[in-house]
Amino acid sequence: DSGVTQTPKHLITATGQRVTLRCSPRSGDLSVYWYQQSLDQGLQFLIHYYNGEERAKGNILERFSAQQFPDLHSELNLSSLELGDSALYFCASSTRTGSWGGYTFGSGTRLTVV
Amino acid sequence: DQQVKQNSPSLSVQEGRISILNCDYTNSMFDYFLWYKKYPAEGPTFLISISSIKDKNEDGRFTVFLNKSAKHLSLHIVPSQPGDSAVYFCAASDPQGAQKLVFGQGTRLTINP
Repeated sequence: DSGVTQTPKHLITATGQRVTLRCSPRSGDLSVYWYQQSLDQGLQFLIHYYNGEERAKGNILERFSAQQFPDLHSELNLSSLELGDSALYFCASSTRTGSWGGYTFGSGTRLTVV
Repeated sequence: DQQVKQNSPSLSVQEGRISILNCDYTNSMFDYFLWYKKYPAEGPTFLISISSIKDKNEDGRFTVFLNKSAKHLSLHIVPSQPGDSAVYFCAASDPQGAQKLVFGQGTRLTINP
């Protein structure tokens, strides 16, 4: 258990629908990052939140949005879903101190759009 | 715009031998480089990192080498063990992007008994 919790683990939904993916960061971590991994691809950065504020955006579609709540959990909302949105969505958290150990990742949410 | 590249999608190594995974990058502003290991159905787990001001970092069987002039880093695993079979991602930290990590496409390492 990495300490980063993602729910649900699996999600199957139809095209055009909207889903919400949830992430609880490791205790004490203020940063939350969302990444997308499509089939046989690397991890693509979507968005970064720090203590409730958006800090950086990657190649995130306009149909996707995210937020980080006062208790530091984060949600990634995906709407008007298309077949190509099927992927693994990872959340990661970090506290940047000293010799950096990078992020701690959750186990991911596998989204299948049919 | 692929700033971090792992050109070998797969690598097969005999148990007990050395595994060498390679990674190239284009952005000279990256300040940290990291290697992550990923098993199926799990999230990536941190393996080892190196600051851009160093050229080598060692942790047990794992050593990362950084060649800044060539914009190249490599991960050496000695000796390789069956449990090392996984997908390995190279990543770089972008200080101009709020420390976001930029990942390579991954290399699938298979250790053969």
